[in-house]
Amino acid sequence: RKEVEQDPGPFNVPEGATVAFNCTYSNSASQSFFWYRQDCRKEPKLLMSVYSSGNEDGRFTAQLNRASQYISLLIRDSKLSDSATYLCVVRGTGGGNKLTFGTGTQLKVEL
Amino acid sequence: NAGVMQNPRHLVRRRGQEARLRCSPMKGHSHVYWYRQLPEEGLKFMVYLQKENIIDESGMPKERFSAEFPKEGPSILRIQQVVRGDSAAYFCASSPGSTGGARSGANVLTFGAGSRLTVL
Repeated sequence: RKEVEQDPGPFNVPEGATVAFNCTYSNSASQSFFWYRQDCRKEPKLLMSVYSSGNEDGRFTAQLNRASQYISLLIRDSKLSDSATYLCVVRGTGGGNKLTFGTGTQLKVEL
Repeated sequence: NAGVMQNPRHLVRRRGQEARLRCSPMKGHSHVYWYRQLPEEGLKFMVYLQKENIIDESGMPKERFSAEFPKEGPSILRIQQVVRGDSAAYFCASSPGSTGGARSGANVLTFGAGSRLTVL
């Protein structure tokens, strides 16, 4: 079983749609959780951290369910510029800041 | 405030040659991480370094790969005797600290634009 699993997509949605991505992680002791965004052939960029209480940043909402080891990202009113690959990222229990990345879910927002 | 700087951005090598990739962390960051992304795959952790110390190299291939972060100068990822399977994007990231609470800024990694290695 992969440490971080995501549906690879692609998700093709019309502009203005709401889309949700899911992610599961295998290590129940994982401490920190993030969503990164990666545009084609570019570096990953932090989209948002994910907190147990859930958190929102504009059109983006992230949720964490520790019992189910499940993380989600909801994008409302999607824009063309949201087209990218969304990476679910988990920090483990070891020392340091080693992050484990999912393979990403590709989103294509269309007119 | 320059971000994480990587060079070269593109590197072409023939099989058997050496590749050296350099990474300068963000100002104020003392922790450097190297990740590799093979075509159509996710990022895989390779190594985590602080100045003059390798902290975690659990993701480094056992042979031909080495990394350093000297007291002065950038971090260097070195690949000896490259093979076609080494062709990938190599991303460097830096952070201000190693750990902290869940909401600590020390947890956040900032990535460089990557170095794309092509082995002919």
